[in-house]
Amino acid sequence: EIVMTQSPATLSVSPGERATLSCRASQSVSSNLAWYQQKPGQAPRLLIYGASTRATGIPARFSGSGSGTEFTLTISSLQSEDFAVYYCQQYNNWPPEITFGQGTRLEIK
Amino acid sequence: QVTLKESGPALVKPTQTLTLTCTFSGFSLSTSGMRVSWIRQPPGKALEWLARIDWDDDNFYSTSLKTRLTISKDTSKNQVVLTMTNMDPVDTATYYCARIALHGGSNYFDYWGQGTLVTVSS
Repeated sequence: EIVMTQSPATLSVSPGERATLSCRASQSVSSNLAWYQQKPGQAPRLLIYGASTRATGIPARFSGSGSGTEFTLTISSLQSEDFAVYYCQQYNNWPPEITFGQGTRLEIK
Repeated sequence: QVTLKESGPALVKPTQTLTLTCTFSGFSLSTSGMRVSWIRQPPGKALEWLARIDWDDDNFYSTSLKTRLTISKDTSKNQVVLTMTNMDPVDTATYYCARIALHGGSNYFDYWGQGTLVTVSS
């Protein structure tokens, strides 16, 4: 099983500032990585797939980068609605054994 | 418009079998390449992938849970069913169904249901 490790567990950032979230895979997943945003009481929402492609309707302030084992989600100028938990997910294996990171909580500083 | 909705019991007793139904609209599981998964999330914890079923009836399971899970589909009803045997309190979680994006070789989720909370307690 590929283990996904996210850091930090909690990130405190002020509105308008940049947030950088990290995700590391225990082995290479190429660019087969997605990011999701989850707000309390809601289902996750797809933000990024293919490590760097924004999903439909996702604002340009969200960007993803990386390949192999190291990935980053950057939110360039935090808006109030961006404070949430963010999960990375790899989908590299065959047969599929999808795994998620443990999440990063982005909170208002 | 793609929607998915989970349904099933809110409370099950230890050792019982859980049956959850995902009813969806806006796509068909008979379409080549279409796939649906179940994912769960214990309260305050991370997401855990459980199972996947494909348009051609292929299915895949989490290695750690595969002996307890069965996933099936009823294409005519636009439904996917997950059964989990021998339920335990640690299985208490919100269970989501989600569609896998129709991208060649993709395994990420572009649409999710609202989730259904299942509590395991005697």
